[in-house]
Amino acid sequence: ILNVEQSPQSLHVQEGDSTNFTCSFPSSNFYALHWYRWETAKSPEALFVMTLNGDEKKKGRISATLNTKEGYSYLYIKGSQPEDSATYLCAFSSSAGGTSYGKLTFGQGTILTVHP
Amino acid sequence: DAEITQSPRHKITETGRQVTLACHQTWNHNNMFWYRQDLGHGLRLIHYSYGVQDTNKGEVSDGYSVSRSNTEDLPLTLESAASSQTSVYFCASSRDRGLTGYTEAFFGQGTRLTVV
Repeated sequence: ILNVEQSPQSLHVQEGDSTNFTCSFPSSNFYALHWYRWETAKSPEALFVMTLNGDEKKKGRISATLNTKEGYSYLYIKGSQPEDSATYLCAFSSSAGGTSYGKLTFGQGTILTVHP
Repeated sequence: DAEITQSPRHKITETGRQVTLACHQTWNHNNMFWYRQDLGHGLRLIHYSYGVQDTNKGEVSDGYSVSRSNTEDLPLTLESAASSQTSVYFCASSRDRGLTGYTEAFFGQGTRLTVV
């Protein structure tokens, strides 16, 4: 079973703060690393899919970086807003076995609460 | 608009009964997945399929089965429901790898199942 770890488990910040979370994953047989945003009572929605070492992705105030050699990814939120409150999930896709690329192993998520 | 829908959204059943949860997607995605969400475990993969007549076991497949007779549907069956299967179940789909080499997953709204 692949081990995907996220830290911290939860985070409380004030509106306007910048914050970041970590996702660590196996550095061998890497295929892709996904980030999802999951709001309460909704379903997870994809933020980024990252495939290359050194990848940096950005969507508005949210950005992510990827280091496949050491097995970690960071998600950054600049100037947090209350509407950013959600659980942020990362998911690892392995290239092992040749056809495993679609199968995702999720971390437990980081719960972000942004206080006005 | 293309979508992925799960039914029912809520279900209460008795121990020992057979239960089937439906998942239907209109994206024409080949890849479909079933996850369960439990406190402290995040999303764990139950079964997945890469196409019609293809099914594979995930990390927590005991007591569950799936069948894929067409592209749109991947029903999840609990053979004999147990209290340990009380959970929230999410279905997801993604397209083939293709030329771009990555596949973000699209999730249904979830089914809350209670086994009493």
